[in-house]
Amino acid sequence: GESVGLHLPTLSVQEGDNSIINCAYSNSASDYFIWYKQESGKGPQFIIDIRSNMDKRQGQRVTVLLNKTVKHLSLQIAATQPGDSAVYFCAECSPYDKVIFGPGTSLSVIP
Amino acid sequence: DVKVTQSSRYLVKRTGEKVFLECVQDMDHENMFWYRQDPGLGLRLIYFSYDVKMKEKGDIPEGYSVSREKKERFSLILESASTNQTSMYLCASSPPGEWRGYEQYFGPGTRLTVT
Repeated sequence: GESVGLHLPTLSVQEGDNSIINCAYSNSASDYFIWYKQESGKGPQFIIDIRSNMDKRQGQRVTVLLNKTVKHLSLQIAATQPGDSAVYFCAECSPYDKVIFGPGTSLSVIP
Repeated sequence: DVKVTQSSRYLVKRTGEKVFLECVQDMDHENMFWYRQDPGLGLRLIYFSYDVKMKEKGDIPEGYSVSREKKERFSLILESASTNQTSMYLCASSPPGEWRGYEQYFGPGTRLTVT
């Protein structure tokens, strides 16, 4: 039968509100970070990235904030829409080394 | 539009069977990856290939092997499938560079069930 896996943290937001998804990264040597969106039944899709020489980067309706002091990354989604419902996870990269992925957060948008 | 394709979306195999998962990318990328995704555990790297016929073990290579005979194709092989290999398998590719995650594109995934 099916195995019971760990449950993802879940964030529920009202449509139109802003969403903030957090990620703690592990490697002090990581200097490039990525946020991915994964919709049900699909592969991860790039949303936005940031290099360690920046604290903030903005895209279309998304902003990533990086706090290297506490090894923390956040993704802000403005005016959340039903199409934003997905699992979001961060990834950290250090030079010529493997990519480390976070476990993910499930975002549920309430219409 | 860049593409990473995987041969099957869903696969059901019996314990002990040999299983082949195929991945093809059309971006002329040197790097290709096989990951396994399980709920709450994130993506875990099984194998990485940085060139044709070149491979490097990831975090969980046990029970798996890979083949990269052509630049665009990276195959994952389960020599003798076991129930603990039931999972979502994701293939990805990226260009060479300082960060392997830079411009990393993923396929849609293969959900493998071993009974």
